[in-house]
Amino acid sequence: DGGITQSPKYLFRKEGQNVTLSCEQNLNHDAMYWYRQDPGQGLRLIYYSQIVNDFQKGDIAEGYSVSREKKESFPLTVTSAQKNPTAFYLCATASGRDTGELFFGEGSRLTVL
Amino acid sequence: GNSVTQMEGPVTLSEEAFLTINCTYTATGYPSLFWYVQYPGEGLQLLLKATKADDKGSNKGFEATYRKETTSFHLEKGSVQVSDSAVYFCALSLNAGGTSYGKLTFGQGTILTVHP
Repeated sequence: DGGITQSPKYLFRKEGQNVTLSCEQNLNHDAMYWYRQDPGQGLRLIYYSQIVNDFQKGDIAEGYSVSREKKESFPLTVTSAQKNPTAFYLCATASGRDTGELFFGEGSRLTVL
Repeated sequence: GNSVTQMEGPVTLSEEAFLTINCTYTATGYPSLFWYVQYPGEGLQLLLKATKADDKGSNKGFEATYRKETTSFHLEKGSVQVSDSAVYFCALSLNAGGTSYGKLTFGQGTILTVHP
């Protein structure tokens, strides 16, 4: 099936640890995005990539890092520098041929203990 | 800057009631407008969209009209069902198809609960 796969669905982390969230897509979309969702705040853009080996900071990039070595993959690392990492993280893709529509994965919920 | 403001929730309705969720926006250009829906524990799905003034997006009985004069994109449904219970997000996108595609600005979301 075509789609976007995020893993793990749930992740627990101790303070001071880095964690990496996986996002894989087989939609052949050029662009990929990471959003963070917090209750009552909507979604905020962390990083995005429109082509392989290139990515840009979004509105809340501090404490996060990404890579885009393959078209299909866009992993997000939440570093220990992120002061409030507990959130729901959503990966999305866009084909670039439409009016800005995004396709979302099912999300990863990170909890810092 | 660009922003999207949605009516605060939660919204609680009985089945078959009429639904309106208000959405207004501020944008420096001429955005495309979207409604996304998020069911519990899932990612977001596109519900409907409109790309220019006076366009009406519709899907699954939901409708929204792009009103440039009032900078609004209110979501409506004539008769809600229990299965419509979800979180609804209004969003805008500028420069669609250009270098900024996919960079959506989202509202804070409105929780809808429909009771039998």
